[in-house]
Amino acid sequence: EPEVTQTPSHQVTQMGQEVILRCVPISNHLYFYWYRQILGQKVEFLVSFYNNEISEKSEIFDDQFSVERPDGSNFTLKIRSTKLEDSAMYFCASGRARNEQFFGPGTRLTVL
Amino acid sequence: AQTVTQSQPEMSVQEAETVTLSCTYDTSESNYYLFWYKQPPSRQMILVIRQEAYKQQNATENRFSVNFQKAAKSFSLKISDSQLGDTAMYFCAFWRHNDMRFGAGTRLTVKP
Repeated sequence: EPEVTQTPSHQVTQMGQEVILRCVPISNHLYFYWYRQILGQKVEFLVSFYNNEISEKSEIFDDQFSVERPDGSNFTLKIRSTKLEDSAMYFCASGRARNEQFFGPGTRLTVL
Repeated sequence: AQTVTQSQPEMSVQEAETVTLSCTYDTSESNYYLFWYKQPPSRQMILVIRQEAYKQQNATENRFSVNFQKAAKSFSLKISDSQLGDTAMYFCAFWRHNDMRFGAGTRLTVKP
């Protein structure tokens, strides 16, 4: 059964550094999402992406964040200058339609 | 803005028994989707069940069923014949306009 995959599983970075989190959505899916979950807190929506552009974004998704689908298979989340409070689990999700979302296993980001 | 409330931070149930997790939400929309996701210790997000708001019939997936009360804005999850593998965090989520809002979660422990 196809799955959403994410790499790396754990990323450690220094404050102020740029990080790129990678996701490979399920191949026939058209809708893509990023979420984050700070340890012990609820999952929070960051951004949705469809037809090569952002369709919705939350207040968390500020100018430090960007997303890209560079080659038709990968879907990336970039954080330009990481802060301590960016430490969280980041989940990618994809779906064939807007009412379904299959989540990847997540990338744990630790900012030191 | 839509909010999702899960009023039970923790619950426990004996193996083979039935447990119900509650969820309420607040919205002025009439068309939307509701989800229950399971997050085991691995922290992956796994879709348990989905309900379309325009459908009156409650969704069922094997041992999992929902009690959807649209007027009351209530969406509870019933787990029948609980198994040890059901031990996890359970998140209720509301989806509308490409924006998924999660509740704070209920930690369910199934005891042998």
